[in-house]
Amino acid sequence: AQSVSQHNHHVILSEAASLELGCNYSYGGTVNLFWYVQYPGQHLQLLLKYFSGDPLVKGIKGFEAEFIKSKFSFNLRKPSVQWSDTAEYFCAVNADYGGSQGNLIFGKGTKLSVKP
Amino acid sequence: DGGITQSPKYLFRKEGQNVTLSCEQNLNHDAMYWYRQDPGQGLRLIYYSQIVNDFQKGDIAEGYSVSREKKESFPLTVTSAQKNPTAFYLCASSIELVRDPSTDTQYFGPGTRLTVL
Repeated sequence: AQSVSQHNHHVILSEAASLELGCNYSYGGTVNLFWYVQYPGQHLQLLLKYFSGDPLVKGIKGFEAEFIKSKFSFNLRKPSVQWSDTAEYFCAVNADYGGSQGNLIFGKGTKLSVKP
Repeated sequence: DGGITQSPKYLFRKEGQNVTLSCEQNLNHDAMYWYRQDPGQGLRLIYYSQIVNDFQKGDIAEGYSVSREKKESFPLTVTSAQKNPTAFYLCASSIELVRDPSTDTQYFGPGTRLTVL
């Protein structure tokens, strides 16, 4: 079965520190990858997504993620975090485009706390 | 204002009672989904529907039921058979079932927090 692993449950950073959140998935075929963010008290919203092409994907609010097929990874990065980035981040995978029900498999999430 | 609404925001239920969570969308999306979010567990799919009058079980459907009589509405009933119903429930929709990268984004509602007393 497909699965998604997020390595860190809770990350605490100071403002201006660099961020990298790990995400690994278990599926050997074609995948489509997503990062969602849930700010305190707000809806879950899409941060960025990868389908094909350039493996370095840029999203909203200065976030980017790199798809490394050989490592089954899709890590999220931001060079300099702000207090407003405090949120929970979820990695998700859809591995059967065109053939399946098209459902997303989510990781367990990583809470990011940014100290002002 | 387009979007997905869920009501109520907080819901309390006594053990042994069924309770229904509302989800409405005015995005004209065909596909709708229910997820359950537990601390440290991420989101797990309960049920999904790709079209009116049709729905499919997700990974954790036991103890839940749904209906899809209208395109805009996808209510979830948490039955007394659900052994551990206290959780945060999220509804989502997408233009269609995620088959095409250009139309695949799922949009989420604000959630309902259910507590069983």
